Amino acid sequence: AQKVTQAQTEISVVEKEDVTLDCVYETRDTTYYLFWYKQPPSGELVFLIRRNSFDEQNEISGRYSWNFQKSTSSFNFTITASQVVDSAVYFCALSEPPGNTPLVFGKGTRLSVIA
Amino acid sequence: EAQVTQNPRYLITVTGKKLTVTCSQNMNHEYMSWYRQDPGLGLRQIYYSMNVEVTDKGDVPEGYKVSRKEKRNFPLILESPSPNQTSLYFCASSIRGPSYNLQFFGPGTRLTVL
Repeated sequence: AQKVTQAQTEISVVEKEDVTLDCVYETRDTTYYLFWYKQPPSGELVFLIRRNSFDEQNEISGRYSWNFQKSTSSFNFTITASQVVDSAVYFCALSEPPGNTPLVFGKGTRLSVIA
Repeated sequence: EAQVTQNPRYLITVTGKKLTVTCSQNMNHEYMSWYRQDPGLGLRQIYYSMNVEVTDKGDVPEGYKVSRKEKRNFPLILESPSPNQTSLYFCASSIRGPSYNLQFFGPGTRLTVL
């Protein structure tokens, strides 16, 4: 069965610090997708990234970077030089075949960036 | 603008009073679903629909109903709401099933049942 674990419930950092949010997943499929979503205090879900299981290249987007390692079933998310606007709940999610299988979300990590 | 809309955004109601949360998408997506989000539990799927007139249960369907009479709309119905249905609800849609297709989420509906 598929499962996503975000072991860090809450993290607090001081502005400009780097922070890494951990995501460990379980799946029996060789084909799957991994996602990260951000949920700011306003409540909406903001899509950050989707990565398929055949692409292990790390990705960087501005201050955000993602490290995908199939060997450890992890898809970690790093924010460099954190800012107060990064304060949010971050969700990691997994989807796999067949087509109607829902996204499985982790329980989320609440990040607080203190000025 | 491509979007998923939900109404109402906030609702406070009382136990047993039937309510409907509407969801509409303008992207001609076949797949739509409802999730609920609770503290410490993440998001869990309630119901989903692969296409018009095709709906199925997700992980936590008890106490909810849905219908898919038109492609764009997927209302969530609580016939007799109870306090344990107090939650944040999200509607989502994608071209087809979520396995390979990016899901678009609505803005959320915060429901309180007293």
